[in-house]
Amino acid sequence: GAVVSQHPSRVICKSGTSVKIECRSLDFQATTMFWYRQFPKQSLMLMATSNEGSKATYEQGVEKDKFLINHASLTLSTLTVTSAHPEDSSFYICSARRRGLQETQYFGPGTRLLVL
Amino acid sequence: TQLLEQSPQFLSIQEGENLTVYCNSSSVFSSLQWYRQEPGEGPVLLVTVVTGGEVKKLKRLTFQFGDARKDSSLHITAAQPGDTGLYLCAENYYAGNNRKLIWGLGTSLAVNP
Repeated sequence: GAVVSQHPSRVICKSGTSVKIECRSLDFQATTMFWYRQFPKQSLMLMATSNEGSKATYEQGVEKDKFLINHASLTLSTLTVTSAHPEDSSFYICSARRRGLQETQYFGPGTRLLVL
Repeated sequence: TQLLEQSPQFLSIQEGENLTVYCNSSSVFSSLQWYRQEPGEGPVLLVTVVTGGEVKKLKRLTFQFGDARKDSSLHITAAQPGDTGLYLCAENYYAGNNRKLIWGLGTSLAVNP
């Protein structure tokens, strides 16, 4: 199988602090990882695409300085929400594309962020 | 992010009823995927359809891909409470070296016992 994990699964933080979310591919190498944001009962909104060893490609309207993405290895990508505000509260999901299987993305279980 | 047309957006039915969810695009799909997502979890891939006219079955779920590859449907027979969740269609989109998924708006299904 192809398993993707996220940590933490839930996080509550105070407004103004920064929060880091990790996405790991546990049993495969991920050449590309994707970060999504999702509001209740709505579809996934792609925030950015990250390729190992290069800068992330952000979707239109997503602030690069607000959502910092680091894809330092073939099994780990991190999303840092800087100076979080209540409107950043959401469900963040990562996915990973497996090396050699370019059509399939494997999704993590998501991270629920609540900013007070 | 470009979105596919998906309908209905919300559906609440009784256990045992049948239902169909639709996914449409104005352009031809390269391939189409259907996902199911439960609250608080990531989406899980149900099926990928590639060939026009293709029909795939997964237990009580039947997936159809239109002949022109511009539409797809998901039919659930004798729905059960365990089928409750958000159903999403998604297309692989290619833009140069960039590949990403284009998502439908989702269908939130509630199956009441």
